[in-house]
Amino acid sequence: GQNIDQPTEMTATEGAIVQINCTYQTSGFNGLFWYQQHAGEAPTFLSYNVLDGLEEKGRFSSFLSRSKGYSYLLLKELQMKDSASYLCAVRPYNTDKLIFGTGTRLQVFP
Amino acid sequence: ETGVTQTPRHLVMGMTNKKSLKCEQHLGHNAMYWYKQSAKKPLELMFVYSLEERVENNSVPSRFSPECPNSSHLFLHLHTLQPEDSALYLCASSQAWGADYGYTFGSGTRLTVV
Repeated sequence: GQNIDQPTEMTATEGAIVQINCTYQTSGFNGLFWYQQHAGEAPTFLSYNVLDGLEEKGRFSSFLSRSKGYSYLLLKELQMKDSASYLCAVRPYNTDKLIFGTGTRLQVFP
Repeated sequence: ETGVTQTPRHLVMGMTNKKSLKCEQHLGHNAMYWYKQSAKKPLELMFVYSLEERVENNSVPSRFSPECPNSSHLFLHLHTLQPEDSALYLCASSQAWGADYGYTFGSGTRLTVV
């Protein structure tokens, strides 16, 4: 089975850097996704990691280590609009399911 | 506009009512999904359709009945719901079932059962 854990809430200051961790126990998966969800809105795709290592995309980067069962999303130069929930999800082998964690609610303060 | 449109955005219904949620996508995707999002719980997959055929049903109670008349439309028919069914119901689509594509989500229908 799959068990995906994320911190429930985090706070940070505008302009700072924040790292949101995701740990998982799963028998195997194709890739790991990160989504952003603002309150009352659709989750939107941020990143997808298949191989171990860091994927950088502007202010956002995502890291995966399959051997350690661990991923993180790194947000740099935080802006107020980055206040949202961040969802980690894996796609197990041979399925089209995305299995989600509970999400991390990030609040950015001035 | 996310490319996946859900209606209504909000719905309040009694336990004896029958209602339907609608999802529409014009992205050319051929797989569609229903997810349930409850407070402080992970997104839960309910149903998966690929090329209008149901390929997955995750032990969802029969009071939820999906329908996929074509690859652009997905419905969730609701009947005799319980208060614990109150949640945000999200529809999503993807380019191909079984491939490594991300989902495009709709904004959801906020359902309250009274």
